[in-house]
Amino acid sequence: DAGITQSPRHKVTETGTPVTLRCHQTENHRYMYWYRQDPGHGLRLIHYSYGVKDTDKGEVSDGYSVSRSKTEDFLLTLESATSSQTSVYFCATAPRADYEQYFGPGTRLTVT
Amino acid sequence: QKEVEQDPGPLSVPEGAIVSLNCTYSNSAFQYFMWYRQYSRKGPELLMYTYSSGNKEDGRFTAQVDKSSKYISLFIRDSQPSDSATYLCAMSGAGGYNKLIFGAGTRLAVHP
Repeated sequence: DAGITQSPRHKVTETGTPVTLRCHQTENHRYMYWYRQDPGHGLRLIHYSYGVKDTDKGEVSDGYSVSRSKTEDFLLTLESATSSQTSVYFCATAPRADYEQYFGPGTRLTVT
Repeated sequence: QKEVEQDPGPLSVPEGAIVSLNCTYSNSAFQYFMWYRQYSRKGPELLMYTYSSGNKEDGRFTAQVDKSSKYISLFIRDSQPSDSATYLCAMSGAGGYNKLIFGAGTRLAVHP
């Protein structure tokens, strides 16, 4: 367990509402990642961060934004949730770019 | 066509069997190859990490990478019911920010 927590663990929200998911780590890892997991697709990268205030887009970034104001926290925001964003969201961290990624427990999000 | 292809299964085997899990990929730039295990409603955890071609063994698990064929495998010897999980292959290129590309995952059930 790499000391990664995600909150909330479960959330049901309505279409059009903003949603923020939080990833918190205690390992002082430089790299942080947000993935979504859907049946038949495995894990797909949404956004990642390579340092405080340094973020970039991943494979499926449309409709999502991120912020990282502290090393330990990486926030994922859905500005206006849609049903296609119903998914399980995982946060991951890594101490350096060529190292393994450690995953959090996930957040199950349902958009009705 | 996906960059990484993985048979989703499910794969059902008796306890003690040898299990072979495979992924194929199309991007010749991939240098790092990983296998993650994911139990139901949990985050993925790293099983094996391999750089470039070759074999790596860890207990009952062996990972093989054949870059010439763009094919990776994970073998599980003497499979146990506790091995029942989804196995995800993942890979990334050299350098960069370790953006992993995942296969869709193979669900494995080992029955007593």
